[in-house]
Amino acid sequence: DIQVTQSPSTLSASVGDRVTITCRASQSINDWVAWYQQKPGRAPQLLIRKASILNSGVPSRFSGSGSGTDFTLTISSLQPDDFATYFCQVYNSYMCSFGQGTKLEIK
Amino acid sequence: QVRLQESGPGLVKPSETLSLTCNVSGASVASYYWSWIRQSPGKGLEWIGYIFHGVSGTTDYNPSLKGRVTISIDTSKNQVSLRLSSVTAADTAIYYCAKRIMDFYYMDVWGVGTAVTVSS
Repeated sequence: DIQVTQSPSTLSASVGDRVTITCRASQSINDWVAWYQQKPGRAPQLLIRKASILNSGVPSRFSGSGSGTDFTLTISSLQPDDFATYFCQVYNSYMCSFGQGTKLEIK
Repeated sequence: QVRLQESGPGLVKPSETLSLTCNVSGASVASYYWSWIRQSPGKGLEWIGYIFHGVSGTTDYNPSLKGRVTISIDTSKNQVSLRLSSVTAADTAIYYCAKRIMDFYYMDVWGVGTAVTVSS
């Protein structure tokens, strides 16, 4: 199994801040990483697939990067609607594993 | 727009079988791949399995749950179902239904989830 380590588990930030969340895989997974946003009581939303490709309708302040084992999700200028939990997922054509999640809180 | 809604009993007794249903709207269950994922405080998000109806039906399950889990499709009701047998407290979680991308194991549409507690 591929283990996924996501950090930090909690992040406090203010509106307008630039924030970065990191996801590390225990072995190389090329660029097969997805990022999701989850809000309480709502369905998780796919933000990014294949490490850096924004899903349709996702604001451009979200970006993803990385390859191999290390990946990042960056929000360039936090908006009030962005305070949520984010989690990464590594995947390929026969398996997937999830990170533990990062709760983004208002400072 | 594809929408998914999970439903089922919120409380299941230990050793019994957990049964959940996912109602799909905006897409035919026969045409896409469908996954179940669960989220518990202790283990985070865990992929349970997937199904593709196709010509002969294809399923794959998390090895840690194999032998206890069955995912099925009812095309007449446009539903996807999950059955997990011999449940224990470790199966307490929020269970999500999701639409999976055809070639890869990531999901582009999720339901809101349904909470299940295993307790006597």
